[in-house]
Amino acid sequence: DGGITQSPKYLFRKEGQNVTLSCEQNLNHDAMYWYRQDPGQGLRLIYYSQIVNDFQKGDIAEGYSVSREKKESFPLTVTSAQKNPTAFYLCASRSSATNEKLFFGSGTQLSVL
Amino acid sequence: AQTVTQSQPEMSVQEAETVTLSCTYDTSESNYYLFWYKQPPSRQMILVIRQEAYKQQNATENRFSVNFQKAAKSFSLKISDSQLGDTAMYFCAFMKHLFLIAGTASKLTFGTGTRLQVTL
Repeated sequence: DGGITQSPKYLFRKEGQNVTLSCEQNLNHDAMYWYRQDPGQGLRLIYYSQIVNDFQKGDIAEGYSVSREKKESFPLTVTSAQKNPTAFYLCASRSSATNEKLFFGSGTQLSVL
Repeated sequence: AQTVTQSQPEMSVQEAETVTLSCTYDTSESNYYLFWYKQPPSRQMILVIRQEAYKQQNATENRFSVNFQKAAKSFSLKISDSQLGDTAMYFCAFMKHLFLIAGTASKLTFGTGTRLQVTL
């Protein structure tokens, strides 16, 4: 089945540690996005990418990094510079053929030990 | 920059009744899309309905319909015949319409959400 797969479902980070969240899609979508969700604050955009080897900062990019080496993959690294990383992280993708809706993954809950 | 405002943090409706969720937005764009997404307790984001700004006709999807007032920058969601499965967070979202330009990405801006509880 076509879709977006995020892994792991739950992730724990120790202080000072970098962790990487995986996002893979087999929808042949060009655009991919990372959102962070905190209680009561809706979804906020971290990074987004329209094409391979290109990405742009969103509204809250500090403390995060991404790569887009393959069309199917858009991993997000939460670095030690992100002092409040506990949140629910959602990956999404969209076809650039038309201005279609975003397809979302099932999310990763990141918590600090 | 675009902003999306949902002024109702929580709402409750009885089963089979009708409820309306409010959303306002601020933009200087003339071409854009508006969305309502549902997030049930599973936290999976599900598209409920979509509206293109250039269309005057309000979008409908079964029990879900919108009241799109472009001049007022208002985009409310009406849920008719509410069901227990409608219990969820509902997010309003805005996206600029970008003509296809290589390397151009359009981002979705979300409101803070409305928690809807459907009761017996």
